[in-house]
Amino acid sequence: EAGVAQSPRYKIIEKRQSVAFWCNPISGHATLYWYQQILGQGPKLLIQFQNNGVVDDSQLPKDRFSAERLKGVDSTLKIQPAKLEDSAVYLCASSLTPSGNNEQFFGPGTRLTVL
Amino acid sequence: DAKTTQPNSMESNEEEPVHLPCNHSTISGTDYIHWYRQLPSQGPEYVIHGLTSNVNNRMASLAIAEDRKSSTLILHRATLRDAAVYYCILRDVLAGGTSYGKLTFGQGTILTVHP
Repeated sequence: EAGVAQSPRYKIIEKRQSVAFWCNPISGHATLYWYQQILGQGPKLLIQFQNNGVVDDSQLPKDRFSAERLKGVDSTLKIQPAKLEDSAVYLCASSLTPSGNNEQFFGPGTRLTVL
Repeated sequence: DAKTTQPNSMESNEEEPVHLPCNHSTISGTDYIHWYRQLPSQGPEYVIHGLTSNVNNRMASLAIAEDRKSSTLILHRATLRDAAVYYCILRDVLAGGTSYGKLTFGQGTILTVHP
């Protein structure tokens, strides 16, 4: 079974530039998550999709971050404009359902460096 | 979200058992206890989860206290590959409500395995 795919794996940009990350979840997984992991900390949920609808974006900085999952499969996360504090690893995860009895499968992450 | 408390770090020798503790005194009746681990430069990886009874799988065992206010992840024979950050997380079994089954990561326990 193919895992969660993410691209790019690494990205370096200057502050005020824009950047986009792509995620392809495991086939058939209805729930998709984007997490931000700052160095030395645990991952923090940014946004959660159920199919193509947002169910939790309470910690997404909506003035600069946006995400979409148009067809209920792939998803993109965008930052515009980027700030220095956005330097982090951005992790995508998916699960069959949002139930607490299911495991989440994580991708390898995209390491973003903002200069 | 209910919170968990874990030691910041633990050490073990290769091929010895490792017991990683987790306290969750405010756990609710619908919270599953999940354990994830994160190897260096990788996304988190599911280890095990349980509700009330002890659980075993190919990776580890989970021992849950009778009052469910604490749990212990048991690695029966540590290998160098088990060196990682281990996260103990409470996750609501119900899909819906404010949590939508999300994972709220803490700082975790850094496990060092010595050859």
